[in-house]
Amino acid sequence: EVQLLESGGGLVQPGGSLRLSCAPSGLTFTSYAMSWVRQAPGKGLEWVSVISTSGDDTHYADSVKGRFTISRDNSKKTLYLQMNSLRAEDTAIYYCGKGTYSSSWYYDYWGQGTLVTVSS
Amino acid sequence: QSALTQPPSVSGSPGQSVTISCTGTSSDVGSYNRVSWYQQPPGTAPKLMIYEVTNRPSGVPDRFSGSKSGNTASLTISGLQAEDEADYYCNSYTSNSTYVFGTGTKVTVL
Repeated sequence: EVQLLESGGGLVQPGGSLRLSCAPSGLTFTSYAMSWVRQAPGKGLEWVSVISTSGDDTHYADSVKGRFTISRDNSKKTLYLQMNSLRAEDTAIYYCGKGTYSSSWYYDYWGQGTLVTVSS
Repeated sequence: QSALTQPPSVSGSPGQSVTISCTGTSSDVGSYNRVSWYQQPPGTAPKLMIYEVTNRPSGVPDRFSGSKSGNTASLTISGLQAEDEADYYCNSYTSNSTYVFGTGTKVTVL
């Protein structure tokens, strides 16, 4: 059974930094692209970032570009999201997702999320 | 990248069919058959219901179906059941090699 476990969320002041981690189980980590999405309280889903299987291809939403960095350590089977210069509007539950390739990549499993709160 | 446009809510009685639209642009929905649909009951993680416009993952009832015409994708739930009550989001790949979600639709079973 595929499981994705996010960690690293918490309360941080505006302008601060936080690193989220995602540790998948039940899958061969190196075979899958991975992604982060977020959901602000009471709001809809927002796509944040994606990373290729090798980690050498990454893409970001305009709202986080230049502030967030997605990475993966295939030897540790862990996905990361480094978040810098955090703003109040970054407050959200952050979900990591696993990609599957058919004729293209699509994201079929999501973790239960970790809450990030940016507030003074 | 602007969010794809969905109706805020749709409703139907048990057994009826409902359709949720998802309108994008020629830079996303209109150019790629890479539209997914997710179901999200309150307080839970998103669950994939449809991928690549029309494909259902294993375990998803065949009451759920997807389609696309031009810049608009659609999710149809046939034979609506109480357990289908949830928020639904579309998602599309874009010409910037990113993805974008829809604004979300709350499905209510009357």
